[in-house]
Amino acid sequence: SAVISQKPSRDICQRGTSLTIQCQVDSQVTMMFWYRQQPGQSLTLIATANQGSEATYESGFVIDKFPISRPNLTFSTLTVSNMSPEDSSIYLCSTRTDSGGYGYTFGSGTRLTVV
Amino acid sequence: QKEVEQNSGPLSVPEGAIASLNCTYSDRGSQSFFWYRQYSGKSPELIMFIYSNGDKEDGRFTAQLNKASQYVSLLIRDSQPSDSATYLCAVFLGGTSYGKLTFGQGTILTVHP
Repeated sequence: SAVISQKPSRDICQRGTSLTIQCQVDSQVTMMFWYRQQPGQSLTLIATANQGSEATYESGFVIDKFPISRPNLTFSTLTVSNMSPEDSSIYLCSTRTDSGGYGYTFGSGTRLTVV
Repeated sequence: QKEVEQNSGPLSVPEGAIASLNCTYSDRGSQSFFWYRQYSGKSPELIMFIYSNGDKEDGRFTAQLNKASQYVSLLIRDSQPSDSATYLCAVFLGGTSYGKLTFGQGTILTVHP
């Protein structure tokens, strides 16, 4: 199944700044998904990114705050814009597996702290 | 009602015991169900999936599905301290395998020697 390399693994950022998270997949995949996991919480889907089209955002998430790029079938970025301490979370990219019942496989995550 | 709900933890079991983790889901049309394990500071790892009613066994893990009751569970036999982690139930809502994969809140399992 696909292997996802995600970076950075962690970062500490000043409020009001932006951070771009990158995910590289070792094979071509149609859909990539971005999740947020707030401290002690479960995973919440931010958006679904298809190559060549606008990302589809879940309720509560907007493009201005979380712009996503998907320039090709192996790469995607998520930007967390104009950050506040409430954005401190783990951000995870994922894609479907070819095996494992077509569940999702995840990158290693980006632990973001906003100060 | 939450779309995917897990029994509240944390759950603590002695080494060698059976750990039982439970999950209910709201969408009766859901077809695909997954269990993930997440160690502290790590990303979730897929450990089991199940589509059909009944039991599915893989080593020490057994997933159980009852669609009529909208209930899925994970049993871990002969629990080991290395099984200590957060277990997440996930469901493709919407009756397809291409819908949004929605996660429960997770159950923290601790296996003590």
